[in-house]
Amino acid sequence: DAKTTQPNSMESNEEEPVHLPCNHSTISGTDYIHWYRQLPSQGPEYVIHGLTSNVNNRMASLAIAEDRKSSTLILHRATLRDAAVYYCILRPRTASKLTFGTGTRLQVTL
Amino acid sequence: EPEVTQTPSHQVTQMGQEVILRCVPISNHLYFYWYRQILGQKVEFLVSFYNNEISEKSEIFDDQFSVERPDGSNFTLKIRSTKLEDSAMYFCASSYRGDTEAFFGQGTRLTVV
Repeated sequence: DAKTTQPNSMESNEEEPVHLPCNHSTISGTDYIHWYRQLPSQGPEYVIHGLTSNVNNRMASLAIAEDRKSSTLILHRATLRDAAVYYCILRPRTASKLTFGTGTRLQVTL
Repeated sequence: EPEVTQTPSHQVTQMGQEVILRCVPISNHLYFYWYRQILGQKVEFLVSFYNNEISEKSEIFDDQFSVERPDGSNFTLKIRSTKLEDSAMYFCASSYRGDTEAFFGQGTRLTVV
């Protein structure tokens, strides 16, 4: 499985935008970029995914670099409820399993 | 909003005993999964299940583990003879297709003593 690299932790102020980076230089052409998050004491939760184009949904935006070797998850206005571990995962088109790394622990402060 | 439900939320068992963890996936989903997370570690894939058979399993999923969809709504994970190192949070997940987003349950915390 292609690897992803994320910062161990990030901090944000409430109501501010947050940009969570992910590097995936060995991504293959059929790998989808998925983001999940895990709130404290809960199961992982789907956030967003994309292949080549930028994506928006009600939770977040995903910006994918033109060469696809990196991506950024954007939370437009962080709230305390967004404090979680965020996982960037490459998922081959033909695979259904998710391979989690260590993710980025996001702290949100008032 | 539909959700994946898991029971029990916490199970304590003695080493060597059999345990069955239960899950009710989202009703129109076709793919089912078990993951586990040992305290302080990564979420690890155990097994995926589609069309009433295992489609993929990890090295962790050895002969001590089995999965079943006994009645069309439940999805179970059985550990035949539990070891101390099986203590973890076990998450069930389901997805409509293999390439669509997975929905996770809240987990069952298994403690083996």
